[in-house]
Amino acid sequence: DTAVSQTPKYLVTQMGNDKSIKCEQNLGHDTMYWYKQDSKKFLKIMFSYNNKELIINETVPNRFSPKSPDKAHLNLHINSLELGDSAVYFCASSQSDRGNTEAFFGQGTRLTVV
Amino acid sequence: AQKITQTQPGMFVQEKEAVTLDCTYDTSDPSYGLFWYKQPSSGEMIFLIYQGSYDQQNATEGRYSLNFQKARKSANLVISASQLGDSAMYFCAMRDGGRGSTLGRLYFGRGTQLTVWP
Repeated sequence: DTAVSQTPKYLVTQMGNDKSIKCEQNLGHDTMYWYKQDSKKFLKIMFSYNNKELIINETVPNRFSPKSPDKAHLNLHINSLELGDSAVYFCASSQSDRGNTEAFFGQGTRLTVV
Repeated sequence: AQKITQTQPGMFVQEKEAVTLDCTYDTSDPSYGLFWYKQPSSGEMIFLIYQGSYDQQNATEGRYSLNFQKARKSANLVISASQLGDSAMYFCAMRDGGRGSTLGRLYFGRGTQLTVWP
């Protein structure tokens, strides 16, 4: 049973398209995140939700919009994709947003914009 | 200022030897957590070990141990008896108490690529 699952694993699309990445966790965690890993492997937070409420909204283009229908799901929708959006996107969850709780990551979605 | 610094872009170790991956952190919050993650070439992020700022003892998980030196703000990962399967990128991360919009986020270092050779 996968704890944090995200789909798809690979996504190749053309510039200007709109795409979504789905994420689900079955751990009963309250907090979910989206991270972006660039070509140099640097991981940076994009969004964080706690009990369906947005608590972190990092400086990302407003073409990126997270949606949390319930606390087990956090989807990422991207409008008008650009070449620079190519990266690996990770969903993660943790029991809470406090310091002593580790985050569990999904397997990542490699987005390639052509 | 960087919250997490990993100064070793790459490390090499022979199988069965021990290796230490360096990590220093920066926070003024007395309450924080330190984490290490492994990212093999397949891409997933695997949680390895956690150390809390108030923990008195260094964390250990099997072959992984965390050498926590609070005064020096360092949290080095020690892998004993390296195996070929340990070859991967290793990330140090920290979550501190934060304030407002920083609450809850994990700050990551830039990673250390570990290669284990036979």
